[in-house]
Amino acid sequence: DGGITQSPKYLFRKEGQNVTLSCEQNLNHDAMYWYRQDPGQGLRLIYYSQIVNDFQKGDIAEGYSVSREKKESFPLTVTSAQKNPTAFYLCASSISQTSYNEQFFGPGTRLTVL
Amino acid sequence: AQSVSQHNHHVILSEAASLELGCNYSYGGTVNLFWYVQYPGQHLQLLLKYFSGDPLVKGIKGFEAEFIKSKFSFNLRKPSVQWSDTAEYFCAVKVTDSWGKFQFGAGTQVVVTP
Repeated sequence: DGGITQSPKYLFRKEGQNVTLSCEQNLNHDAMYWYRQDPGQGLRLIYYSQIVNDFQKGDIAEGYSVSREKKESFPLTVTSAQKNPTAFYLCASSISQTSYNEQFFGPGTRLTVL
Repeated sequence: AQSVSQHNHHVILSEAASLELGCNYSYGGTVNLFWYVQYPGQHLQLLLKYFSGDPLVKGIKGFEAEFIKSKFSFNLRKPSVQWSDTAEYFCAVKVTDSWGKFQFGAGTQVVVTP
């Protein structure tokens, strides 16, 4: 089955530690995205990538970093600089950056920083 | 600032009642419009989308939405809801001159009581 996988589903970390969230897609999509979902705030864009080896900051990139070394993978690192990292993180992909494409979403990772 | 507004944060209604969720956006250019749904414990999935043509679009599970350009609105409707429609609903807008960037509304939590 084609889709987007995110691992782990739940993640606990101590304050001050960096943590990397995995996102893999086998849809052959060029574009990938990371969102943060908080209650009452919807989805806010952290980073996006339109093509391998290229990525752009979204609306709330501070305290996060990404890489896009392979088309199918777009890992997100939550660094110790992120002031409020506890949240639900969603990865998404779309065929390309052109207009006529919706985004497909993974199941999400719930990060709790203790 | 460009934004997407969903009028209701929480909606509670009985089975067989009609549902209408409001969505307004503030972008002035050409947009693509989407409604996504997140059932409890499940992925975000696409309900319906509008790119061009007939402003009344039909989606899955009996949902439809109407694009009214003059009002910058894309309201979601369902004539008769079921208990299984309990979910969070997100409106999303993609500005066609941007590189794949979506803007999501804050979401509306819908609870359908038996």
